[in-house]
Amino acid sequence: AQKVTQAQTEISVVEKEDVTLDCVYETRDTTYYLFWYKQPPSGELVFLIRRNSFDEQNEISGRYSWNFQKSTSSFNFTITASQVVDSAVYFCALSEAWYGGATNKLIFGTGTLLAVQP
Amino acid sequence: NAGVTQTPKFRVLKTGQSMTLLCAQDMNHEYMYWYRQDPGMGLRLIHYSVGEGTTAKGEVPDGYNVSRLKKQNFLLGLESAAPSQTSVYFCASEPSLAGVHEQYFGPGTRLTVT
Repeated sequence: AQKVTQAQTEISVVEKEDVTLDCVYETRDTTYYLFWYKQPPSGELVFLIRRNSFDEQNEISGRYSWNFQKSTSSFNFTITASQVVDSAVYFCALSEAWYGGATNKLIFGTGTLLAVQP
Repeated sequence: NAGVTQTPKFRVLKTGQSMTLLCAQDMNHEYMYWYRQDPGMGLRLIHYSVGEGTTAKGEVPDGYNVSRLKKQNFLLGLESAAPSQTSVYFCASEPSLAGVHEQYFGPGTRLTVT
């Protein structure tokens, strides 16, 4: 069965610290997709990244970086030099491959609340 | 281009009352989804639709019904609300391109059942 585990319920850091949010997933499929979404205090869900299971290259986007390791079934998210505006709940999600006619159901982790203190 | 909109934003119901949540998207997406978000549980899929006139059950469908009469709209109904349905409801849509793509989420509806 598919499962996403975000073991860190809450993390508190001081501004400018680096922080890593962990995500561990389980799936039977060899083809799957992983996502990160951000939910700021305003409540909307903001898409951050999508990664498919065949692309194990790490990705960097500004202060954000993602480390995908199939060997440990992990897709961790690092924020470098954190800022107060990074305070949010971050969700990791998993979707199995699209098979024509089927839909892409996302399985979400329970989220990690990141609080960045000034 | 409004993206995904949800109506209403807030609602308070008494146990046993019924209501319909409306989700509308203007991106011509085939796939649409309804999720609920509860504290400590992330988002869970209630129902989804792969196209106009089709719907299917997700992870937690009990107590809800849905309809997709028009491609741009996806309605979520509660026939007899229960306190356990107090939650934040999110609608999402996704293009039906090959592969899996990001889902675009609406702003959410906060529902309280007393």
